[in-house]
Amino acid sequence: RKEVEQDPGPFNVPEGATVAFNCTYSNSASQSFFWYRQDCRKEPKLLMSVYSSGNEDGRFTAQLNRASQYISLLIRDSKLSDSATYLCVVGVPYNFNKFYFGSGTKLNVKP
Amino acid sequence: EPEVTQTPSHQVTQMGQEVILRCVPISNHLYFYWYRQILGQKVEFLVSFYNNEISEKSEIFDDQFSVERPDGSNFTLKIRSTKLEDSAMYFCASSPRAIIDGNQPQHFGDGTRLSIL
Repeated sequence: RKEVEQDPGPFNVPEGATVAFNCTYSNSASQSFFWYRQDCRKEPKLLMSVYSSGNEDGRFTAQLNRASQYISLLIRDSKLSDSATYLCVVGVPYNFNKFYFGSGTKLNVKP
Repeated sequence: EPEVTQTPSHQVTQMGQEVILRCVPISNHLYFYWYRQILGQKVEFLVSFYNNEISEKSEIFDDQFSVERPDGSNFTLKIRSTKLEDSAMYFCASSPRAIIDGNQPQHFGDGTRLSIL
């Protein structure tokens, strides 16, 4: 079983739409959770950390469900510039620091 | 804002040659990583480094790979006797503290594109 699983998409949505991605993780010892954004042929860039109580940053809302071992990302009022691949990353605190990456969910926002 | 820097941005090398990819992590970070991403595929973990030694490595990180922190600022990845399948983007990342200390995200450099001919 993969450590982190994501629907690869693509999600094709019109501008202004609301879109949600989920990510599941297998290791119950996971302690840190992040969403990164990756543009084509570029490095992953931190979008937001995910906290137990859920957190929001502008149009982006992240949620964590530890019981079901999944995290989610909601994007409201999608912009063309939101088109990218969204990576779910989970940190496990053994062997010092180990981060597991999902394969990413591709989002295409269309005019 | 401090950032991770990588050089070169693009490296073209003949198969069988050795390459060294360089990274300067963020200065107060303690944990360092190398990842690779073959075009169109997912980000793959290669190795993590802490306190001047490897803390973990993946099955990809075989004897042809090595890492070093030669001078307290640079963090290098050496690939000996490169193969065609080593062609990929190589990302360096660093993080400030241990995961157990709370949400400590990794910060990535903008990568080195390695092309093996």
